[in-house]
Amino acid sequence: GEDVEQSLFLSVREGDSSVINCTYTDSSSTYLYWYKQEPGAGLQLLTYIFSNMDMKQDQRLTVLLNKKDKHLSLRIADTQTGDSAIYFCAERDDYKLSFGAGTTVTVRA
Amino acid sequence: EAGVAQSPRYKIIEKRQSVAFWCNPISGHATLYWYQQILGQGPKLLIQFQNNGVVDDSQLPKDRFSAERLKGVDSTLKIQPAKLEDSAVYLCASSYDRDRGHHEQFFGPGTRLTVL
Repeated sequence: GEDVEQSLFLSVREGDSSVINCTYTDSSSTYLYWYKQEPGAGLQLLTYIFSNMDMKQDQRLTVLLNKKDKHLSLRIADTQTGDSAIYFCAERDDYKLSFGAGTTVTVRA
Repeated sequence: EAGVAQSPRYKIIEKRQSVAFWCNPISGHATLYWYQQILGQGPKLLIQFQNNGVVDDSQLPKDRFSAERLKGVDSTLKIQPAKLEDSAVYLCASSYDRDRGHHEQFFGPGTRLTVL
């Protein structure tokens, strides 16, 4: 299967941490990705994790992968107003990406 | 490095008309993708090219959609005739070479199509 599910909305206070969750169904996925989309723009690759890893950290971003539960999360530390956007989780299988519907993150002062 | 370029950025047409979108991938990228993103949804792959050959068009509605990538660089996506449900953002992406394990896809800004 290629279903990727995400919660639709997240509201977070500036300076707090944001955690965006995603579940996927394809156990043969090789890579899992997080993309960011700002209004009127295309998708920007934020980070990715290979399926044999369980954690990856990149500056303010931390990706956690629980392969047994097929659960992926993205933690953004010290969330800023510029982090307000839609975040998409995607899984890759056989060169094809399948995306979730996106989580709209709103950062409030 | 210049990113993926797409044009036009916006297009409004009436149903049953035809429309074409253009994409110029990042220089040197062998793999090119077209996605359809309907409002409130994630992108859905329509077609994937490796150089100028099609490697996956299983999700492309071939009765009305067509795409080509002549000379393995620029690509055009055409809809003829358009339906109301084709209203969406059409995203083009490229990656260096999927056959050599280069998996990161870089996206253009998209073309927003409105069909009235």
